[in-house]
Amino acid sequence: KQEVTQIPAALSVPEGENLVLNCSFTDSAIYNLQWFRQDPGKGLTSLLLIQSSQREQTSGRLNASLDKSSGRSTLYIAASQPGDSATYLCAALSGAGSYQLTFGKGTKLSVIP
Amino acid sequence: ETGVTQSPTHLIKTRGQQVTLRCSSQSGHNTVSWYQQALGQGPQFIFQYYREEENGRGNFPPRFSGLQFPNYSSELNVNALELDDSALYLCASSPGPPNTGELFFGEGSRLTVL
Repeated sequence: KQEVTQIPAALSVPEGENLVLNCSFTDSAIYNLQWFRQDPGKGLTSLLLIQSSQREQTSGRLNASLDKSSGRSTLYIAASQPGDSATYLCAALSGAGSYQLTFGKGTKLSVIP
Repeated sequence: ETGVTQSPTHLIKTRGQQVTLRCSSQSGHNTVSWYQQALGQGPQFIFQYYREEENGRGNFPPRFSGLQFPNYSSELNVNALELDDSALYLCASSPGPPNTGELFFGEGSRLTVL
C-alpha cells in the first residue's frame, strides 16, 4: 500500500527566500508524481507533473525533482512571495488496474512580507 | 476551455439522509475520479470511472456509489450519511487512460452532516 509523507507540516519564511518542500513515498512503482497547491477552502491547483521516466520539471519559479529509487520528490520555490502562501500537496499515481493518487497531508507555507 | 465544475458548492444534510454530488469534466477528458478530503488531511481516493465503467475503488463502503455519463460527467452518491462523511468532496478529470496524464481538480463540494 502506497504511503506518502510530507515534511515539514508547516513552514514560515520571509519574502524573497528560496525554499524546499519534501515528499517521500514508500512504493517506487509509480506512474507519475504531481504537486498541487490548495488555498483555504478551495480545490487543488496542479503545479507540476513529473512522469516516472523524468527527473525534474520546471514552471516559472517552481522546480520539482523526482528520485524514484529513493522514493523522494522535492518542490523548490525560488524567490518566495506572499501570494505563494498556501498548502502544498504531493501525490503519487500508482496501482495496477486501479490508478489512484495517494496524497500526503501537505505542507502549509506562510510567506511573511 | 472550461475546467472541472462541481455542484453544489456547499450543502448541509442530517445523519441518515442521502446526497448526490455532481461533476462536469474538463472538455475532452474521459477519466473522472472522486476524492474525499477531511479537514487537515490529504484527499483520499474514493473511486474512478473511465469511459462510463468503474475502474478502481478505494477503501470506502458500498454506500458510496457513482456514475459516469456518456458526456463523461459524473455523480457521487452517498447513502445513509454519517457524521464522519462531513468533508470536502473533490472531483478530478484527466485525458486518456487512467494511468497517464495530469489530473485537474474542481473546487469541490463541502458537505456538512449534522
